[in-house]
Amino acid sequence: EVQLVESGGGLVQPGGSLRVSCAASGFTFSDHYMDWVRQAPGKGLEWVGRIRNKANSYTTEYAASVKGRFTISRDESKNALYLQMNSLKTEDTAIYYCIRGSYSSAWYFEFWGQGTLVIVSS
Amino acid sequence: DIQMTQSPSSLSASVGDRVTITCRASQGIANFLAWFQQKPGKAPKSLIYAASNLHRGAPSKFSGSGSGTDFTLTISSLQPEDFATYYCQQYSSYPLTFGGGTKVEIK
Repeated sequence: EVQLVESGGGLVQPGGSLRVSCAASGFTFSDHYMDWVRQAPGKGLEWVGRIRNKANSYTTEYAASVKGRFTISRDESKNALYLQMNSLKTEDTAIYYCIRGSYSSAWYFEFWGQGTLVIVSS
Repeated sequence: DIQMTQSPSSLSASVGDRVTITCRASQGIANFLAWFQQKPGKAPKSLIYAASNLHRGAPSKFSGSGSGTDFTLTISSLQPEDFATYYCQQYSSYPLTFGGGTKVEIK
């Protein structure tokens, strides 16, 4: 059974840093693209970024709103996905979801974690 | 960026109704279109990928259609557990983008 469990959310001051994690199990982690999607309170879904699989050299893509501030990485030995968030702004307040991708002509979102809440506030 | 526009933004329907939600892309995306369901306080769940393919585990009352710029999600017979917000999403090009959501409420 595929499981994605996010952790590391919390309260951080504007300008601060935070790293959230996603523990993956139930599948061959290195085979899959992984994404982060966020949802501000009462708002819709926003894609944050993607890290490709081992076959595609773990390259990354980011939304313009986070590029240069957020970094996605993965540790294959731990089956873990990370989102390092620097220079945080109040508008980064959101639930952050980890997503496993699957492939059918292109990589699409298949499984979602339960999310971790990040609050940026003074 | 590709803009995804859903309509309506909300609708009221009765149990047993057939419900259709529309999603329009600002440029052609072939069939690289997904649909998700989100209930209050819960993570989204995947329903449809490649415009018309049902995710394993998603009920067969959900169906998707369309290609290019115009897509629909249909719920054949609305049940109490289907009252939720539905999102479309394109994965044709970066940045990946979502529609604004359609909230399905009880009439």
